[in-house]
Amino acid sequence: GAGVSQTPSNKVTEKGKYVELRCDPISGHTALYWYRQSLGQGPEFLIYFQGTGAADDSGLPNDRFFAVRPEGSVSTLKIQRTERGDSAVYLCASSLTGGGNTIYFGEGSWLTVV
Amino acid sequence: GQQLNQSPQSMFIQEGEDVSMNCTSSSIFNTWLWYKQEPGEGPVLLIALYKAGELTSNGRLTAQFGITRKDSFLNISASIPSDVGIYFCAGHLKGGSQGNLIFGKGTKLSVKP
Repeated sequence: GAGVSQTPSNKVTEKGKYVELRCDPISGHTALYWYRQSLGQGPEFLIYFQGTGAADDSGLPNDRFFAVRPEGSVSTLKIQRTERGDSAVYLCASSLTGGGNTIYFGEGSWLTVV
Repeated sequence: GQQLNQSPQSMFIQEGEDVSMNCTSSSIFNTWLWYKQEPGEGPVLLIALYKAGELTSNGRLTAQFGITRKDSFLNISASIPSDVGIYFCAGHLKGGSQGNLIFGKGTKLSVKP
């Protein structure tokens, strides 16, 4: 596709359940990023991939959060044992390479934990 | 936690007025970026700044990278209704990861026709 594609666009889940959020970056972009945006706040960094490997995962809040990018393209953000505080918009972004190139964001996946 | 102070939090202006917003930090940044976000959308890059003192324009938008590398401002001239949205400053910390973009809390702009 032309832009960064994220699915699902909306997800409502019960507390304690497992959730997967998918990101399809712009074709040819080697760098992929996950951010989380709570209501009224700016996006907060979670993890950054360069190719298949996580170059920086320092933003993941705890070990319930994990992300993979096995073939260097599509990425999945996985959240185990969801809590109400995990409710937020999860934004994925990609750039041509990691260094200084324009970062393009998707529309986000809105996660609500009830 | 976030290390950028963005102000004002919100602005209500008349169409045709000029707008100014800024971001400050106690830390040094290597880049400053300004994004606009509309409801249900991801942030869209408006202007990117890479050098201290740099002044860059994009149409009616002008942004500057502060000399101290700890601040940046964004000006919008002759505002129009489609300028409505939330504007975020963002930057890469000196010594930080190139993937870790730190965002301000945003300035919500409302334009009255």
